[in-house]
Amino acid sequence: EVQLVESGGGLVQPGGSLRLSCAASGFTFSSYWMSWVRQAPGKGLEWVANIKQDGSEKYYVDSVKGRFTISRDNAKNSLYLQMNSLRAEDTAVYYCARDSAMSDFDYWGQGTLVTVSS
Amino acid sequence: EIVLTQSPATLSLSPGERATLSCRASQSVSSYLAWYQQKPGQAPRLLIYDASNRATGIPARFSGSGSGTDFTLTISSLEPEDFAVYYCQQRSNWPLRTFGQGTKVEIK
Repeated sequence: EVQLVESGGGLVQPGGSLRLSCAASGFTFSSYWMSWVRQAPGKGLEWVANIKQDGSEKYYVDSVKGRFTISRDNAKNSLYLQMNSLRAEDTAVYYCARDSAMSDFDYWGQGTLVTVSS
Repeated sequence: EIVLTQSPATLSLSPGERATLSCRASQSVSSYLAWYQQKPGQAPRLLIYDASNRATGIPARFSGSGSGTDFTLTISSLEPEDFAVYYCQQRSNWPLRTFGQGTKVEIK
């Protein structure tokens, strides 16, 4: 059974940093692109970033470029999102999702809430 | 940037009725369009990929159609568990992605 479990969310002040983690199991993690998708309270879904199987390619939505860094550790079956210079508008539930070029986001974690507030 | 516009914003229907949801792209996305269902407090669930292919375990009452810029998600007969928010998403410029703003299907 495919499982994705996020962790690391919490309350952080504007300008602060946070690192999210996503533990994957039930599939060959190193064979898939992975993504982070976020959802602000009461709003729609926004793709944030994704990373190639070997970590050699990374892509970001414009609003987080230069502030967020996606990474992975295939030996640990884990995906990460380092978030720096956080803003109030980054407040959201952050989901990790398996990113299939053939069938889009076919598995999702349960999400972790990030709140940026003073 | 490819913009996806979903309509209507809210659809009020009764169980057993047919639901027709629309997603329009600002430029052609070929058939690289997916649909997701999201219930309150839950993660999204993939329903349809490549415009018309049902994901694993998705009931046959869900169907997708369209290509280019105009797409439709149809729920042939609404079950109580189908009342939720539905999002379309394109991967035409993969690996970049965009989502539509969502359509809420509510009980009339």
